[in-house]
Order: sequence, then structure tokens, then C-alpha cells
Amino acid sequence: EIVMTQSPATLSVSPGERATLSCRASQSVSSNLAWYQQKPGQAPRLLIYGASTRPTGIPARFSGSGSGTDFTLTISSLQSEDFAVYYCQQYNNWLTFGGGTKVEIK
Amino acid sequence: QVHLVQSGAEVKKPGASVKVSCKAFGYTFTRYGIHWVRQAPGHRLEWMGWINAGNTKYSEKFQGRVTITRDTSASTAYMELSSLTFEDTAVYYCARDDGGPNTFWGQGTLVTVSS
Repeated sequence: EIVMTQSPATLSVSPGERATLSCRASQSVSSNLAWYQQKPGQAPRLLIYGASTRPTGIPARFSGSGSGTDFTLTISSLQSEDFAVYYCQQYNNWLTFGGGTKVEIK
Repeated sequence: QVHLVQSGAEVKKPGASVKVSCKAFGYTFTRYGIHWVRQAPGHRLEWMGWINAGNTKYSEKFQGRVTITRDTSASTAYMELSSLTFEDTAVYYCARDDGGPNTFWGQGTLVTVSS
């Protein structure tokens, strides 16, 4: 099983600031990496797939980068609605998820 | 408009089984697989298994305890988990297989295992 490790576990950021979230895979997943946002009581929402591609309707302030084992999600200027938990997911070999990063208001 | 609608919350006793349904709307059901993912309190999202056409694949963790089926005439997928323990208390999600990532998710079904 491919193990996904996210850091940090919690990120305290002020509105308008930049947030950088990291995800590392225990072995290469190529670019088969997605990022999700989850708010309390809701299902995950796909933000990024293919490591760097935004689905239609996802704001441009969300961007992804990386390949192989190291990946980054950047939120360029945090809006109030962006405070949530973010998960990375590899789909190179079925599915596994990271432990999540909670982005909270500083 | 694509959406997946899951069955309602369940309360089960230890040792029992639970069956959760996931009905698809807004697309041709047979063209996409369905994944099942669960989220226990304080735990990460956990993949349980997948179904497409006549094929299933299960996580090793749940092999022998989980059965995923589908009824194409009803555009519905099912996930049955047996021999429940308190550790199976979780929200169970279905999600469409979009060739890798999961764009569409059900609303989640809370399964509580309680004596």
C-alpha cells in the first residue's frame, strides 16, 4: 500500500495570506495525485487532479505542483471559505489518502 | 447534473452487517465505476473497494468482510460490511471513478455500531 504523509497537520493562516501544504508518497505515484477540500459534515470536494490540473469551477487561487513522491498545494490568498481540511490522494495504485492538513484562521 | 444519493443513517449492534446504497443520477451508470471510502472519527479517509462492469476490487484491510455490488437497472451501487465492531463506526461515502480522481461523491452515510 502506498502511504501518503501530509504536513503540517495544522496550518494557522490569516485571511489574504498564502498557504502552502505538502504531501509525500512512500513511493512514486507519477502525477496521479489529487487534492480535496473537506468542510465539517460535507463530502470531500475535488480541487486538483493530475497533480496540477484544476477542474472546472475551482478558483485559480488553488494551484498544485510536484510529481513522483513530493507534492504541494498552494492557496495564493486565503478567503474565509477556504478554512477547511485538505487531503491529498494518490490514484496510481487504487486509492490512498493522506492524514489531512487543517487550515485554520490565525 | 451528476449526483450520488446514499441511504440514510444506520445503527447496528456488534457482529451485525450493514448495507449502504448509492443511487446515481445525471449520467450513464454503466460507464463509470464506483468507489467506497469511509471516514472514522479522527481518522483519515480510507478506501474500501471498487466496482465496475463485472469486476470488483477490495482493500486488503476489508477483504472477506466487504461486498460491493450493483444493480444497473436501478443505477445503484451497494456496499455491505459484515461482522461489525465499534471501530466500524464511520461515515461511509460512495464516489464516482473518473479514471482516477473522484469528482462526484455521495452525501455520506453515518453507520454507528453500538451495543
